[in-house]
Amino acid sequence: QKEVEQNSGPLSVPEGAIASLNCTYSDRGSQSFFWYRQYSGKSPELIMFIYSNGDKEDGRFTAQLNKASQYVSLLIRDSQPSDSATYLCAVNVNSGGGADGLTFGKGTHLIIQP
Amino acid sequence: DAGITQSPRYKITETGRQVTLMCHQTWSHSYMFWYRQDLGHGLRLIYYSAAADITDKGEVPDGYVVSRSKTENFPLTLESATRSQTSVYFCASSTSKETQYFGPGTRLLVL
Repeated sequence: QKEVEQNSGPLSVPEGAIASLNCTYSDRGSQSFFWYRQYSGKSPELIMFIYSNGDKEDGRFTAQLNKASQYVSLLIRDSQPSDSATYLCAVNVNSGGGADGLTFGKGTHLIIQP
Repeated sequence: DAGITQSPRYKITETGRQVTLMCHQTWSHSYMFWYRQDLGHGLRLIYYSAAADITDKGEVPDGYVVSRSKTENFPLTLESATRSQTSVYFCASSTSKETQYFGPGTRLLVL
């Protein structure tokens, strides 16, 4: 059974600070890792994906992957009130050409305090 | 650019009724997915499809039926709705194992 674990929060971070969101996964065969943001009442939207160990940066966002520890994180620099949302970690085991869906964590509720 | 749409956006039905949720995408993505989202469970995969006429079960398929006669459409049918199927349903599509794009969701209430 594939499992993806996240702290549900809420995680409260002052505006302008770095928000750090963490995720662990159970399946060592996992190949692809995704972070989605979901505002209340809205659908998930992709922020970043990462496949290789290390860091991947995109603007204010940095995804970090450590396959040995089965750990993936998302850092948000210069946090803004508009970053307040639920952040979903998702994992795909399939390394081949097909897509068999994602396994999601339950999400971390992030609150950026002005 | 319509992207991916779902209909209806809101639905109230009664136990035992058949309900069909529609999903349509304009990107010609090969892969399509149905998820449900419930408090305490997060998003869970119901069914997915790699191409027209190819479908497979996800984590929670019981009580649901899907079909995919055309690449752009992926309807989800609840054959006999139960209260436990009250949820928010999201359709998603992708070109591969990477980025999945989600539709706006359908909120279903089964009385």
